[in-house]
Amino acid sequence: AQSVTQLGSHVSVSEGALVLLRCNYSSSVPPYLFWYVQYPNQGLQLLLKYTSAATLVKGINGFEAEFKKSETSFHLTKPSAHMSDAAEYFCAVSESGANSKLTFGKGITLSVRP
Amino acid sequence: KAGVTQTPRYLIKTRGQQVTLSCSPISGHRSVSWYQQTPGQGLQFLFEYFSETQRNKGNFPGRFSGRQFSNSRSEMNVSTLELGDSALYLCASSEQVVSNGNEQFFGPGTRLTVL
Repeated sequence: AQSVTQLGSHVSVSEGALVLLRCNYSSSVPPYLFWYVQYPNQGLQLLLKYTSAATLVKGINGFEAEFKKSETSFHLTKPSAHMSDAAEYFCAVSESGANSKLTFGKGITLSVRP
Repeated sequence: KAGVTQTPRYLIKTRGQQVTLSCSPISGHRSVSWYQQTPGQGLQFLFEYFSETQRNKGNFPGRFSGRQFSNSRSEMNVSTLELGDSALYLCASSEQVVSNGNEQFFGPGTRLTVL
């Protein structure tokens, strides 16, 4: 069965600092991996996705993530945090197949200090 | 294109009542999935519909049900509401079924409060 682990529930960084949000997955087959962002009182917005093409995936708003099969990881990074990046971030995994579904991690709240 | 819309945005019910939530997918999208989001359990998959057929279901009791219409609009129903059903219910649509990495687009959700 597929699963996602996001360690920690809250990350705080200073404006301009590196953002690193960790995600580890478990999947019995090659996975599809996603990062979503959720702003208060809104739905989820896709930041980026990995679908077995390039292992380094670039997304919107300057975010990127690297798929590392040996580490079963798909960590999200951004070189320089902006105040507007404060939100909740979810890593998710899905597998191909008839009963494919999206499984989410618990989410990480990112705070950005001025 | 208009995004995924969900109605109502907020709902207050009492225990034992039933509720119906509605979701209109992006035009041309044939797959609609539903998720429950709570602080304790996070985002949990409820079910997915494609071309009016339920193709996948999560681990929720039978009180949770859904359907999809020929225009791809979807409804979910929760009967005999319990306090624990208080949550944000999110609907997501995609062009095809959720496989092969197809992107899902989420609506703003319906906030259900059960008193």
